[in-house]
Amino acid sequence: NAGVMQNPRHLVRRRGQEARLRCSPMKGHSHVYWYRQLPEEGLKFMVYLQKENIIDESGMPKERFSAEFPKEGPSILRIQQVVRGDSAAYFCASSPLQAGSNEKLFFGSGTQLSVL
Amino acid sequence: GESVGLHLPTLSVQEGDNSIINCAYSNSASDYFIWYKQESGKGPQFIIDIRSNMDKRQGQRVTVLLNKTVKHLSLQIAATQPGDSAVYFCAEDAGGTSYGKLTFGQGTILTVHP
Repeated sequence: NAGVMQNPRHLVRRRGQEARLRCSPMKGHSHVYWYRQLPEEGLKFMVYLQKENIIDESGMPKERFSAEFPKEGPSILRIQQVVRGDSAAYFCASSPLQAGSNEKLFFGSGTQLSVL
Repeated sequence: GESVGLHLPTLSVQEGDNSIINCAYSNSASDYFIWYKQESGKGPQFIIDIRSNMDKRQGQRVTVLLNKTVKHLSLQIAATQPGDSAVYFCAEDAGGTSYGKLTFGQGTILTVHP
């Protein structure tokens, strides 16, 4: 059973370009979470999705950021018109049911976004 | 807002020693806590968790202690090995309808010297 797969591992964009980060949850997992990590900091929650639904996006910036988890295919975190402050590691996690209720989050290896 | 934080940002130990990593939390309503290990270039790896109705939980070489009175969490690693060198984060689950919406602490860098 493969783990949470994220791609690309490294993504370089120039200011103003778009970044698309992909996350394939573990097989059988229908809950996906996106987190952002700045250097030497802990992870910060961004958004929680179930298939075709955004459950909680309270940690997502209101502009330029969007996330989706379609019925088929991976979850996508999209950042439009990137700025240097978007440079960070973006982690995806998945769980089969609501995490915390005896179900743990499994994290991917992350996508390191660098904005030039 | 509510936050989870750590007392010590770095910890250096000798191989074979026991390590203790501490964490303070401020949300008294939190009912679920997790310790993660993160190695360079990798995602957080689950180590051990504990619910608020417990004050101690043991795993393989690791023990988590929870003191709700002073809102303190600690991770004890027995017989620390060089492979334990990593950044350790405590995390708090907000609970309710947003399970999985974790609040992470700053992190402690553990360095194990052979």
